[in-house]
Amino acid sequence: GQQLNQSPQSMFIQEGEDVSMNCTSSSIFNTWLWYKQDPGEGPVLLIALYKAGELTSNGRLTAQFGITRKDSFLNISASIPSDVGIYFCAGHTEFSGNTPLVFGKGTRLSVIA
Amino acid sequence: ETGVTQSPTHLIKTRGQQVTLRCSSQSGHNTVSWYQQALGQGPQFIFQYYREEENGRGNFPPRFSGLQFPNYSSELNVNALELDDSALYLCASSLDRDRIYTFGSGTRLTVV
Repeated sequence: GQQLNQSPQSMFIQEGEDVSMNCTSSSIFNTWLWYKQDPGEGPVLLIALYKAGELTSNGRLTAQFGITRKDSFLNISASIPSDVGIYFCAGHTEFSGNTPLVFGKGTRLSVIA
Repeated sequence: ETGVTQSPTHLIKTRGQQVTLRCSSQSGHNTVSWYQQALGQGPQFIFQYYREEENGRGNFPPRFSGLQFPNYSSELNVNALELDDSALYLCASSLDRDRIYTFGSGTRLTVV
């Protein structure tokens, strides 16, 4: 099945630093989503991207849908301790939800105060 | 509006036993998807139910089965439990197979 390659696997940063993570695929995706998962919780949607080239922000978070439709990145600016968690990229290969949402393996973010 | 609720939150079963996990979808949502998340991995798609019918299945054996009820709540049943079935089981709901899923907090299943 489709695979999403997410990198880096983990990162340790100082509070206040900017963070960048990305996701690539060998297949074309028509929707890219970024979720955050805290320990013991389910994933929570951060940003949804629907068109190639789309750049969307949500507070300190910015994500882009790659032009080739095979990649996406998420940036977090001025990180704070509550940014700690696991960030997942996910996507649909079709324009509808008829195909399942496919997830990457996640990027574990640790913020050092 | 209420979110997605799952029960139980944790349970421990013995290898070979059967288990039923439950999910109440978010108010107004008619589509439920189930995912298995092993430790350190991303969620893996098990199957989806739309208006009480199975609407897609991932690479899981037939001992993983499901059901969706007229109120759109759902059950995941796993027979003949194996040690590798130990994982966090996530339920997600959406409206009309929309691309945006709302996830519950999951059920942590441990098989010993």
